[in-house]
Amino acid sequence: DAKTTQPTSMDCAEGRAANLPCNHSTISGNEYVYWYRQIHSQGPQYIIHGLKNNETNEMASLIITEDRKSSTLILPHATLRDTAVYYCIVRVVDSNYQLIWGAGTKLIIKP
Amino acid sequence: GAVVSQHPSRVICKSGTSVKIECRSLDFQATTMFWYRQFPKKSLMLMATSNEGSKATYEQGVEKDKFLINHASLTLSTLTVTSAHPEDSSFYICSASRTGDRAFFGQGTRLTVV
Repeated sequence: DAKTTQPTSMDCAEGRAANLPCNHSTISGNEYVYWYRQIHSQGPQYIIHGLKNNETNEMASLIITEDRKSSTLILPHATLRDTAVYYCIVRVVDSNYQLIWGAGTKLIIKP
Repeated sequence: GAVVSQHPSRVICKSGTSVKIECRSLDFQATTMFWYRQFPKKSLMLMATSNEGSKATYEQGVEKDKFLINHASLTLSTLTVTSAHPEDSSFYICSASRTGDRAFFGQGTRLTVV
């Protein structure tokens, strides 16, 4: 599976959009980009995933560059409860759903 | 969405005893479940892949006799930490997925061995 690179930490003001970048320059054509987050002392929570096109759901938007070498997760109106570690993972969707976890980005939402 | 339930959420045990952690998929059948371990301020480390009806596949460096995994049904996998010692204290997380679908995670188990 391709490796991802994320900033170690980021701050964002409450109510503003939080933009979390991820580099995955070695991504293969059949690998999806997944985003999960982990709030302190809880299990990871799925946020969103995509292959080529931009995606949006009730939690966030995912913007994938045309060459698919990087992506950005956007939380449109960050709240204090969005403070968490955000993980960007690339993975081929198959029957064995093993995820390789990087260090993630610690996002701190400030009042 | 699909729910994975992990129990207990927190356990304290004495050194030398064994602890069982359960992972259940509540509204779907999971042929494969995964067990992770997480140290403070670190990322998740895959310990083993649990396959229903067959032996678990352990990652390199994980002692299979220490961390017993049983996946007896399509909705339940258990992780037993045998003869626990303080260095086994950690946050243990399970996940499950339907074929071709994303992974769903349990809420995690905080194990403290005293």
